[in-house]
Amino acid sequence: KNEVEQSPQNLTAQEGEFITINCSYSVGISALHWLQQHPGGGIVSLFMLSSGKKKHGRLIATINIQEKHSSLHITASHPRDSAVYICAVFNYQLIWGAGTKLIIKP
Amino acid sequence: EAQVTQNPRYLITVTGKKLTVTCSQNMNHEYMSWYRQDPGLGLRQIYYSMNVEVTDKGDVPEGYKVSRKEKRNFPLILESPSPNQTSLYFCASSLNRVFGNTIYFGEGSWLTVV
Repeated sequence: KNEVEQSPQNLTAQEGEFITINCSYSVGISALHWLQQHPGGGIVSLFMLSSGKKKHGRLIATINIQEKHSSLHITASHPRDSAVYICAVFNYQLIWGAGTKLIIKP
Repeated sequence: EAQVTQNPRYLITVTGKKLTVTCSQNMNHEYMSWYRQDPGLGLRQIYYSMNVEVTDKGDVPEGYKVSRKEKRNFPLILESPSPNQTSLYFCASSLNRVFGNTIYFGEGSWLTVV
């Protein structure tokens, strides 16, 4: 069993929909990262969380340390949000999830 | 502007011909790392460096070498590339590794070994 599990693996939605991507992990962590990988390949850090909730524009990330679970939400989704979203947890080293491929259709 | 710069971005090479992928960061970060990304496998760490002259193996170090002679540079060396090293490579840096700081990635290097 992978130490970091993301769900769903693939998600297709219509423009404007509220999107939720989940990340569950099985190890103790000191931080969790959400990153976005563009179709061209570049990877950008979105959030780093150790507790609670963070918001940046239409993106919201939450983490529940007790339940070992984090969610990334996108409000009012747009085709430019189409990307792979990757969760990674920090436990002496970074442990990577496999990513969630999101497609937003106009 | 905070940047991690990798070169080359695209390369096709032949089996056995030594190549180096350069990585440079301008943020005075201590921690640098190389990853490869293959379809269905996600990001896998090749080597990392905690600081100058301090490097260590990641999960998939076979066939690769690295060096960290200066804080800003962390080149990845393929002494004798083989087709199974065809992949997308990323260099990344962060302030340090201890508390999981923000990670900055290079644009990626697409490498094909024929």
